[in-house]
Amino acid sequence: AQSVAQPEDQVNVAEGNPLTVKCTYSVSGNPYLFWYVQYPNRGLQFLLKYITGDNLVKGSYGFEAEFNKSQTSFHLKKPSALVSDSALYFCAVRERRNTPLVFGKGTRLSVIA
Amino acid sequence: DGGITQSPKYLFRKEGQNVTLSCEQNLNHDAMYWYRQDPGQGLRLIYYSQIVNDFQKGDIAEGYSVSREKKESFPLTVTSAQKNPTAFYLCASTARGDSPLHFGNGTRLTVT
Repeated sequence: AQSVAQPEDQVNVAEGNPLTVKCTYSVSGNPYLFWYVQYPNRGLQFLLKYITGDNLVKGSYGFEAEFNKSQTSFHLKKPSALVSDSALYFCAVRERRNTPLVFGKGTRLSVIA
Repeated sequence: DGGITQSPKYLFRKEGQNVTLSCEQNLNHDAMYWYRQDPGQGLRLIYYSQIVNDFQKGDIAEGYSVSREKKESFPLTVTSAQKNPTAFYLCASTARGDSPLHFGNGTRLTVT
């Protein structure tokens, strides 16, 4: 069965520093990987996805993610964090097209001015 | 603007009462989903529907029911059989294929 792990419940970073939010996955075939962000009392907003192709995926708001098949990871990154990036981040995976996404438990990012 | 509308934003019910959460989309998406969010547990799939008049159970379907009579609408009923219904409920939809999910802004249900 497919699964996603986000090993850190909380990540703290200073404004202007690079940030990384970690995600590892487990699927039986080739993964379809997604990152979402959630602000308080709101739904999730799509940031980026990896389906196939280049291992470095660029998304919204300056975020990017690197797909690493050997390490089964899909870490979210940003070169320079903003206070407004503070939110809850979810990694998600599906192992076939047109099947439901399975989400990780989320990582709370706090960017300190 | 196209999007997903969930209503109401906040809902309060007494224990033992059924309650229905509304989800409407005007994105012309085929597939719709209901997830439940609890602190520290991420999102868990309740039900999903890939086509009108058809739906499948997710990981935590017990105590919930759905219908999909129209492409635009996917209401969720939380029944009195759901042991711990207080949670944040999120509806989502997607076109077929590799498309990402689009989410509504959620309904926070409190049962006392």
